[in-house]
Order: sequence, then structure tokens, then C-alpha cells
Amino acid sequence: DAGVTQSPTHLIKTRGQQVTLRCSPKSGHDTVSWYQQALGQGPQFIFQYYEEEERQRGNFPDRFSGHQFPNYSSELNVNALLLGDSALYLCASSLEGPAVYGYTFGSGTRLTVV
Amino acid sequence: QKEVEQDPGPLSVPEGAIVSLNCTYSNSAFQYFMWYRQYSRKGPELLMYTYSSGNKEDGRFTAQVDKSSKYISLFIRDSQPSDSATYLCAMGIIQGAQKLVFGQGTRLTINP
Repeated sequence: DAGVTQSPTHLIKTRGQQVTLRCSPKSGHDTVSWYQQALGQGPQFIFQYYEEEERQRGNFPDRFSGHQFPNYSSELNVNALLLGDSALYLCASSLEGPAVYGYTFGSGTRLTVV
Repeated sequence: QKEVEQDPGPLSVPEGAIVSLNCTYSNSAFQYFMWYRQYSRKGPELLMYTYSSGNKEDGRFTAQVDKSSKYISLFIRDSQPSDSATYLCAMGIIQGAQKLVFGQGTRLTINP
């Protein structure tokens, strides 16, 4: 049973560019959350998608946007990249409900902005 | 002030030692508490979760929550080199908010 799959694993972008990260949730999961983890820091909540809609959003600017598809997979888009956007981006999938019921995290996409 | 504070370490101990990892929090609305382990170049994996004050044991791991002091701990007994990882505490609220709030993480090394 495949867990959460994220692509690409690594990415280097130039300041000002746009990037799209992808996530396939664990089989049977219908909710996808995205987190940003800067080096040496804990993950920070970006937003959560359920039934193809953004259900909750963390303290991130509108440059960060997302999408969930009918097959529950999800994309994270970041526009006008800044150096400070360099981080590990984690996708977590779960069944609908509070996070207490269990997130499964992917291994992340390492984004470097130069 | 951050909602969740965790000593980032790094922490280095000999194999077999008892390890104590700690977090404090400021938001009294937090209802459940988790510990995640994150190996290098991997995503976090859930180790333990608990809802109430007190202790919860799972093998060599014990999670402790003191809601009155807003303080949680993870104890690792008979530590092994394979326990070397970053440990993250995380907290959440059951109703409404779906997100987890994480601590900074403590990098732990167990030396053979």
C-alpha cells in the first residue's frame, strides 16, 4: 500500500519564478494538508484541502495557492518566489476529521530558491 | 511568543541512556498532543498521541502530558542508535481547526 507520494523530490528555482509541487495521498485518504518546514524548524501549516476546496489556511500570503483534484491528489503553487521560500514542503494526507486521527506525511519536496 | 516551544538541542547521549524530550505550550485550547519522529530526508512519522493529562506508554516510549503546566514530555528508555532522529512535538484542537502546531524539533543522536 503506497503511502503519500510527492514530486519532485528536489527543485531549484530562481527568485521571481513560479513552482508547482504535487502530492498523491495515501490510498483511502481524502484530505490533503500542506506544510512548510524551514531548515532547523518544525513544519508550519499552509492549508488543507477537502472535497476539492480549501478548508483552512495558515498564515501564508496569497502567493501560496493550491488545488485538489477529484482523485484527491493535490498541487501546491507558489508564485513570485522569494529566497525565504526555500524549505522542505510536506504533504500530509488523512481521512476527513481532526488531525488527531492521523496524518501520513510524504517525504517532501526540497525547494531551493536562488 | 510561539504557541509551542521546544528545545532544539542538539542532544547527544550514549546507547542505553534514558532520553527526555520536552515541549511547552501557551494555547490552553490544545486538546491532543503528539510526538513525531523525522529521519533525515524523510517526512515526520507519528510515534505517539494522547488526549489527556498523565502518562501513555508504548514499548520503550512514554508520553507525558501536564495540562495544568502546559508541558509535555517524551521519554525514551534503553535508547538505540536507530532512535537517532529529529523529534517533533505537535498539538491540535479537535473541533474546528484541522491543523497541527509543531514545535521546532529536537535533534537527537544516540552514540553506540
